[in-house]
Amino acid sequence: SQQGEEDPQALSIQEGENATMNCSYKTSINNLQWYRQNSGRGLVHLILIRSNEREKHSGRLRVTLDTSKKSSSLLITASRAADTASYFCATDRRTGNQFYFGTGTSLTVIP
Amino acid sequence: KAGVTQTPRYLIKTRGQQVTLSCSPISGHRSVSWYQQTPGQGLQFLFEYFSETQRNKGNFPGRFSGRQFSNSRSEMNVSTLELGDSALYLCASSLTALRTNEKLFFGSGTQLSVL
Repeated sequence: SQQGEEDPQALSIQEGENATMNCSYKTSINNLQWYRQNSGRGLVHLILIRSNEREKHSGRLRVTLDTSKKSSSLLITASRAADTASYFCATDRRTGNQFYFGTGTSLTVIP
Repeated sequence: KAGVTQTPRYLIKTRGQQVTLSCSPISGHRSVSWYQQTPGQGLQFLFEYFSETQRNKGNFPGRFSGRQFSNSRSEMNVSTLELGDSALYLCASSLTALRTNEKLFFGSGTQLSVL
């Protein structure tokens, strides 16, 4: 069963704009990760945020975590056409030994 | 260092047949987990193998099985294929037994079409 649900399902923006996508989950977590998937390929890890962290940065990526609302957001700043992909959040439950993925947000960056 | 390798890349089978997919993890990685990806359901966890032992299993019928060899390579098998088994099957490796504070390294997947 899914634990994380991404929102929106699809997002289309112009190159240079910022893209924000959200992830909501149902039960308490230890860690939350974000992955990117280019069309028909495997997933690539982007960033991990632990339950005791509120914000993390990696290059043009900024991830926030609000455990009281059971939600996370991924912000991509100054987007590029190469950022066109699907983005997934992966959550766990307290057992911490299994990932739960949502159905992803499909991001299209128009040059 | 070579990435995670999945073979074959594409497969076409008919209902009732069985299929075996292969996954070679990154050298030194001992955990392999498998996922089924479909447009409507996203990624669903199938199972994880570590040191040739199945550690964890998702909510899939017994037609889905797997194994891991001493060199950490893994195979998954689906018997008596159904139309609904059409999906992208992804494997992922990690250094140690799967923990969600570790990142996963994914292969490019095997696209299975059941006719």
